[in-house]
Amino acid sequence: DGGITQSPKYLFRKEGQNVTLSCEQNLNHDAMYWYRQDPGQGLRLIYYSQIVNDFQKGDIAEGYSVSREKKESFPLTVTSAQKNPTAFYLCASSMFASHEQYFGPGTRLTVT
Amino acid sequence: RKEVEQDPGPFNVPEGATVAFNCTYSNSASQSFFWYRQDCRKEPKLLMSVYSSGNEDGRFTAQLNRASQYISLLIRDSKLSDSATYLCVVSPSGSARQLTFGSGTQLTVLP
Repeated sequence: DGGITQSPKYLFRKEGQNVTLSCEQNLNHDAMYWYRQDPGQGLRLIYYSQIVNDFQKGDIAEGYSVSREKKESFPLTVTSAQKNPTAFYLCASSMFASHEQYFGPGTRLTVT
Repeated sequence: RKEVEQDPGPFNVPEGATVAFNCTYSNSASQSFFWYRQDCRKEPKLLMSVYSSGNEDGRFTAQLNRASQYISLLIRDSKLSDSATYLCVVSPSGSARQLTFGSGTQLTVLP
């Protein structure tokens, strides 16, 4: 089955620790995206990548880092510099020529 | 002003009712428009794209008014399974394929 997988579904960390969220897609999509969603708010773009080995900051990139070494993988690291990391993190992908994005099931990160 | 604004609701309607959601966007250069559906604690899923001529998919009809920068979604004959949050999504001009999401409108269809 083609799709986007994110792991883990739930993640708990102590303040001050870096944590990496996984995102893998087998849709052969060129572009991949990371969003965060807070309760009652819309999705906000953290980082996006249109091709391998290239990525751009979104609206709220501070405290986050990404890599795109393979077309199918786009991991997100939430660093200790992110002031309010507890949120629902969603990864998405799309074909290069399309605006339609498809989402993975998300990772709920709780930092205490 | 938010880039994409939606009435947050909640909309509580009886099964079989017709319900309409509205959305306004601020960037007049926006090129692509979508409605996504998000179930509680799940990921958003693409419901339909919105075209200038309007489009229909079964019980769902989407309309775009570029002059007023306004998008709508009409759901006819509501089903219990339609209960979800509906996200209005806009893509600005440019090649980056970025999307701007509204905060969503919550719908509950009651038996």
